[in-house]
Amino acid sequence: DAGVIQSPRHEVTEMGQEVTLRCKPISGHDYLFWYRQTMMRGLELLIYFNNNVPIDDSGMPEDRFSAKMPNASFSTLKIQPSEPRDSAVYFCASSLRAVHSPLHFGNGTRLTVT
Amino acid sequence: KQEVTQIPAALSVPEGENLVLNCSFTDSAIYNLQWFRQDPGKGLTSLLLIQSSQREQTSGRLNASLDKSSGRSTLYIAASQPGDSATYLCAVRGGSQGNLIFGKGTKLSVKP
Repeated sequence: DAGVIQSPRHEVTEMGQEVTLRCKPISGHDYLFWYRQTMMRGLELLIYFNNNVPIDDSGMPEDRFSAKMPNASFSTLKIQPSEPRDSAVYFCASSLRAVHSPLHFGNGTRLTVT
Repeated sequence: KQEVTQIPAALSVPEGENLVLNCSFTDSAIYNLQWFRQDPGKGLTSLLLIQSSQREQTSGRLNASLDKSSGRSTLYIAASQPGDSATYLCAVRGGSQGNLIFGKGTKLSVKP
């Protein structure tokens, strides 16, 4: 089991550029979550999917953020245009049967927007 | 709105000591509570998951308890080791199935 795989590990970009973060969940997991972690706000849920369908995107901060899950093994989080305040570590996590199952996290993508 | 608080924010202990990390939450209507460990530059590793109907879970030197009515959980680490140094986070899952609310963590340092 390779775990949740995220890419890239680090991303440095200039303000205004488009950023795409990628995630491959654990095979067989039907829930996928995107979180953002900052020193000030800790871990915040951005959006989660069940069977590739977005269920709750109330944590997505602005229209600049969008997430897709075209199939069970791949998801993207896109920021367009990026701003310095988007700098954070973005985590993807997956689980079976969300309510009763533990979450498994990827190693995250550290995003720096200058 | 559910809020999760972890006290203390940081803790330093000598190797071999038993210790307790605390987690409190404001809304007792939870499905479960999960403890995680985060090493610098890494993701979160799940340590223990306690369902709302359970009182405690144990894994090796770790024991987590849950008192839903008082909104508290503790993570007990026995015979601490330098390798236990990390940030420990608790998270509760409430009414919304995906809405796992995290505390800000306790940064533990175990000195040899």
